[in-house]
Amino acid sequence: AQKVTQAQTEISVVEKEDVTLDCVYETRDTTYYLFWYKQPPSGELVFLIRRNSFDEQNEISGRYSWNFQKSTSSFNFTITASQVVDSAVYFCALSEARVGNNRKLIWGLGTSLAVNP
Amino acid sequence: KAGVTQTPRYLIKTRGQQVTLSCSPISGHRSVSWYQQTPGQGLQFLFEYFSETQRNKGNFPGRFSGRQFSNSRSEMNVSTLELGDSALYLCASGDKGGGDGEQFFGPGTRLTVL
Repeated sequence: AQKVTQAQTEISVVEKEDVTLDCVYETRDTTYYLFWYKQPPSGELVFLIRRNSFDEQNEISGRYSWNFQKSTSSFNFTITASQVVDSAVYFCALSEARVGNNRKLIWGLGTSLAVNP
Repeated sequence: KAGVTQTPRYLIKTRGQQVTLSCSPISGHRSVSWYQQTPGQGLQFLFEYFSETQRNKGNFPGRFSGRQFSNSRSEMNVSTLELGDSALYLCASGDKGGGDGEQFFGPGTRLTVL
């Protein structure tokens, strides 16, 4: 069965620290997508990234970077030089990329990140 | 471009009643997905509609139903409300299916069942 585990329930850092949010997934499929979403205190989830299972290149977007390792079934997210505005709950999600209609997202329980000034 | 809108934002109901939640997707998006978010269970997929057809369904009882109209607006209905239905209900739209690409989420409807 598909599963997404975000072992860190809550993380608290001081501004400007680097922080890594872990995501481990389980799937039997060879083709799938992985996602990260951010949910700030306002409540609306915001898309951060989608990664295809065939693309193991790490990605960097400003202060955000993602490390995808199929060998360990992990898709970790690092925020460099964290800022107070990064405080939010971050969700990792997995979806199968099957032909046909049976696609849905399986979500981790989220990691609540608090960045303190 | 206007974002995803959900109405109402807050709702208080009593056990046994029924409720209808509404979602207007971003213009041009044909996929609308619904999620239930609770502190204990996290985000759970309810169902997805694409061009008025239910394309996928989560593991929720039949009391939870939905539909999508020709203008892509979607409604979700919960009948015979139970205390455990208290949650934040999120709607998301996309130009692809929910499991394929970026989804844009609405602010949610906070349902409280007393």
